Amino acid sequence: NAGVTQTPKFQVLKTGQSMTLQCAQDMNHNSMYWYRQDPGMGLRLIYYSASEGTTDKGEVPNGYNVSRLNKREFSLRLESAAPSQTSVYFCASRARTGELAKNIQYFGAGTRLSVL
Amino acid sequence: DAKTTQPPSMDCAEGRAANLPCNHSTISGNEYVYWYRQIHSQGPQYIIHGLKNNETNEMASLIITEDRKSSTLILPHATLRDTAVYYCIVRVSSWGSGSARQLTFGSGTQLTVLP
Repeated sequence: NAGVTQTPKFQVLKTGQSMTLQCAQDMNHNSMYWYRQDPGMGLRLIYYSASEGTTDKGEVPNGYNVSRLNKREFSLRLESAAPSQTSVYFCASRARTGELAKNIQYFGAGTRLSVL
Repeated sequence: DAKTTQPPSMDCAEGRAANLPCNHSTISGNEYVYWYRQIHSQGPQYIIHGLKNNETNEMASLIITEDRKSSTLILPHATLRDTAVYYCIVRVSSWGSGSARQLTFGSGTQLTVLP
């Protein structure tokens, strides 16, 4: 059981380049999240998807777009990368209903992105 | 969500119990206490949660005071691999429709397990 898988693990971009961060979960969870974590700081929510076919903005959505491709996959796209987007990006998922709906989120290992 | 207060850092000898405190004096009746940890360069990991009774799982024990204003996470036999930042989060359990319900991680406690 892989849990939440993120690719790539590391990426270096030049300012203005675009890229897509991939996330997939195999736990049949409804809700998925993208966070960023800057050095010495907590996680900040970029976008989330409460269920397949829906996405909503979080705390810091500017400069990002997302796609909930299916129940398993939730991708994050940077259309024109900026140095301010240098960060570690974490994807997470959560079951929505029943006993499991208790603020328990499962996180991927992260993508470390540097924008030069 | 209730505010939490944790010490910034703690040390613990390997093999000994690590007791990590959390103060949440403004907690309301329907809010749970959750603990996560983040090992360096990894994603956060759920540890345990509780409402008012003490809880134990394979990772840790959670002791919540009778007035629920504070709690303690106990790692019974700390190992070097338990060195991490530990986060105490207080949240309601139910989800409102359309709510992001993001997890808000404060600054946490840096636990260092010493050999």
